[in-house]
Order: sequence, then C-alpha cells, then structure tokens
Amino acid sequence: SQQGEEDPQALSIQEGENATMNCSYKTSINNLQWYRQNSGRGLVHLILIRSNEREKHSGRLRVTLDTSKKSSSLLITASRAADTASYFCATVTGANNLFFGTGTRLTVIP
Amino acid sequence: DVKVTQSSRYLVKRTGEKVFLECVQDMDHENMFWYRQDPGLGLRLIYFSYDVKMKEKGDIPEGYSVSREKKERFSLILESASTNQTSMYLCASNYVDSLYQPQHFGDGTRLSIL
Repeated sequence: SQQGEEDPQALSIQEGENATMNCSYKTSINNLQWYRQNSGRGLVHLILIRSNEREKHSGRLRVTLDTSKKSSSLLITASRAADTASYFCATVTGANNLFFGTGTRLTVIP
Repeated sequence: DVKVTQSSRYLVKRTGEKVFLECVQDMDHENMFWYRQDPGLGLRLIYFSYDVKMKEKGDIPEGYSVSREKKERFSLILESASTNQTSMYLCASNYVDSLYQPQHFGDGTRLSIL
C-alpha cells in the first residue's frame, strides 16, 4: 500500500533558485525519509526526520514535518544542475515498513 | 561505504522462463528488501527478509518468491515470467534496528519480459 504522495509530480526551475517538494501521508508515522534517484539508478538516502522533530537541515537541504497535517516538505536551496533527479518521500510506521510515494521529478536548468 | 550490488543492470527474458535476480550487500545487514518500481506507482515492496532463511511478504508478492541462504545475498525469483513483470527491480538493505536506519539501494535491474 502506498503511504506518501508527493506534490508536484514534476518541477522545473533555473539553476540558483530554490526547489520545494511536498509530501502528504495518511496514517501515524515513526519517521519520514527523503530519497533521491538519478535517472536509471538506485535510490540514495538524503535525510530522516523523526515524528517528534519539526525541522531538520543537511547542507542545502531543509526538511519540515507537520504531523498534525500529515505532511512534509523538502527544500533544496540554491539548486544546481546536478540536483536534477527524482525525489521520493518514504514513511516508516513499523520496523520493516517503508512506504514510498510516487516521487517528484526535478529538473534544474543551467 | 555500504555497497549493494545487483547482478545485472539490464535483463531480457521470455514469457514462461524462470528468472533469478541476485543482490549482494557487504555491510552485514540483517534486513534485505526487493522492490519493483513502475511509472506512476512508485516503489512497491515485493518481499523482505530479516534473517537468513526468513522471509516476509510485502505488498505485491504474487508471482514472485525469494531465497536467502546467506546473510549477504538475497535472490528474487520469478517462477514463470509474464509480460506484466516487466519493470525496474530494486534491492535494498539495512540493519535490524531499522526504525531510524535508512535503506541502502542497489542500482536496480531493468527487466524486460518478451
């Protein structure tokens, strides 16, 4: 079953701009994770935010979590052409249950 | 760095064939997972294993089986391949204390069933 839903499905921005992707989910979670996937490759873990956290930073990445709205956002600041990829949120509800959304395809135009 | 290696990047098989997809990880992870990824559907869990010879069904196990004879290796088996199993298959692994552990993915196998 699918837990997370990303919005928008596709996003195209100019290099240097910020990119914001949103994720909504349906049930209570333990934590939420964001992954990145370059075309034709596997997923790479970016950041994890626990249910009792509201915001987390890692380099140019900022993730927020609002458990009352069951939503999260991923902000990439000062985007680069190399950030072009698909981004997925994944929710964790139990020990081995990681539910992925359908992803946001980000294109950064040089 | 964690390395999850999938044996083939691309594979073409015929309907009715028995297909084996292999995955090996080098970090002594207890958990291993097989997903399939289809456009518009995201990643869906087929099977996972939390120990040698142990397996649990995921969301879409029909038409698949798995084997975990050694801790580092997790195999996905398509018993009789069908065209609707054409997809990207991704293997992942992490530690058993996995609530706060990310999953580490291989580069995927793009499987085409003709």
